[in-house]
Amino acid sequence: QKEVEQDPGPLSVPEGAIVSLNCTYSNSAFQYFMWYRQYSRKGPELLMYTYSSGNKEDGRFTAQVDKSSKYISLFIRDSQPSDSATYLCAVAPYNFNKFYFGSGTKLNVKP
Amino acid sequence: GAVVSQHPSRVICKSGTSVKIECRSLDFQATTMFWYRQFPKQSLMLMATSNEGSKATYEQGVEKDKFLINHASLTLSTLTVTSAHPEDSSFYICSAKREGPLNEQFFGPGTRLTVL
Repeated sequence: QKEVEQDPGPLSVPEGAIVSLNCTYSNSAFQYFMWYRQYSRKGPELLMYTYSSGNKEDGRFTAQVDKSSKYISLFIRDSQPSDSATYLCAVAPYNFNKFYFGSGTKLNVKP
Repeated sequence: GAVVSQHPSRVICKSGTSVKIECRSLDFQATTMFWYRQFPKQSLMLMATSNEGSKATYEQGVEKDKFLINHASLTLSTLTVTSAHPEDSSFYICSAKREGPLNEQFFGPGTRLTVL
């Protein structure tokens, strides 16, 4: 069983839509939950970072963690064409000695 | 966020040659750096964890003698792909961990290796 499972998509939405991206993870020991955005042929960039359960909001982005169901989500409000990219979730244990990445969901926001 | 650079961004080489990729943390010191490999439309696969001043820790299935890692300073780690073959062609990405309350990991822009 993979540590992190993520639907690869692709996900295509019209501009202005609300986007929901999700991952599930297998090990309850994971404490840190991250979302990265990766544009084509570039390295990933950190979008959101959450410790333990709860919500975290940053502008149009909201990260949500439900540790009881081992489910993490990223919501994008008022999506823009510039949001078109691959979004990777990642989890890490308390000591950050290793990150586990989902396979990434490719998002396309159509103008 | 912090800046991590990689050099070169793209390299094409002949089969049998060795290729060195550099990863630098430009505005912070990183005792730990990570090397990943990413195939098209797939996620990042951790190859090894590079620790400054000590030997790298390789993931299962990654050949130590093929992928040589040297973390000689707190801002530089290098990955050398020795005797490269076409199946080594991939996107190699490094990341550097910035110590602190958040222990964030910052990624380099990646190096596209093509072995002919």
